[in-house]
Amino acid sequence: ETGVTQTPRHLVMGMTNKKSLKCEQHLGHNAMYWYKQSAKKPLELMFVYNFKEQTENNSVPSRFSPECPNSSHLFLHLHTLQPEDSALYLCASSPRGAEAFFGQGTRLTVV
Amino acid sequence: AQSVAQPEDQVNVAEGNPLTVKCTYSVSGNPYLFWYVQYPNRGLQFLLKYITGDNLVKGSYGFEAEFNKSQTSFHLKKPSALVSDSALYFCAVRDGNTDKLIFGTGTRLQVFP
Repeated sequence: ETGVTQTPRHLVMGMTNKKSLKCEQHLGHNAMYWYKQSAKKPLELMFVYNFKEQTENNSVPSRFSPECPNSSHLFLHLHTLQPEDSALYLCASSPRGAEAFFGQGTRLTVV
Repeated sequence: AQSVAQPEDQVNVAEGNPLTVKCTYSVSGNPYLFWYVQYPNRGLQFLLKYITGDNLVKGSYGFEAEFNKSQTSFHLKKPSALVSDSALYFCAVRDGNTDKLIFGTGTRLQVFP
């Protein structure tokens, strides 16, 4: 148990659906991350937030919309996704300059 | 721009033998280096890190890594491999001045009985 909780663990959605992934940490970390992990692809950094401010958007399509309402919560809003967006989505948090702690991930399947 | 390279997709080793998983990096500032392990359908677990200090760092489960500034490498090592070490291993780097944490492509370690 790392202290980073992601919900749901599994999600199946149609291409016209809207859904959200949630990440929560109460570790007092200032930075929070979304990563995408696809089969046979590197771990792709999507977004970075530092104290609720987005500091990195790694050219992610607009059908992925992050939200960080406070330093403990991070959301990834999904709409009109494509089948190639099916992947394991990982959330992480870290104190400045230190290691990141990862959640268990959300396994997303787009049908 | 920062980057990490893990040149081996897979490393095979017999149980009881030493193992090495390679990692090289590139950053503009001071490197903060990390190793993580991932078991099937799980998130990444932190193993060890180098921020500053001794070049040889020790971590969880008997793993260690050696920071080599001249070769820009941070190879993961273990003196005696266990079958239970079989997993996916990721090297990561952060430019000390930023929060951007970049991962390598991962190396699958297979330890045979």
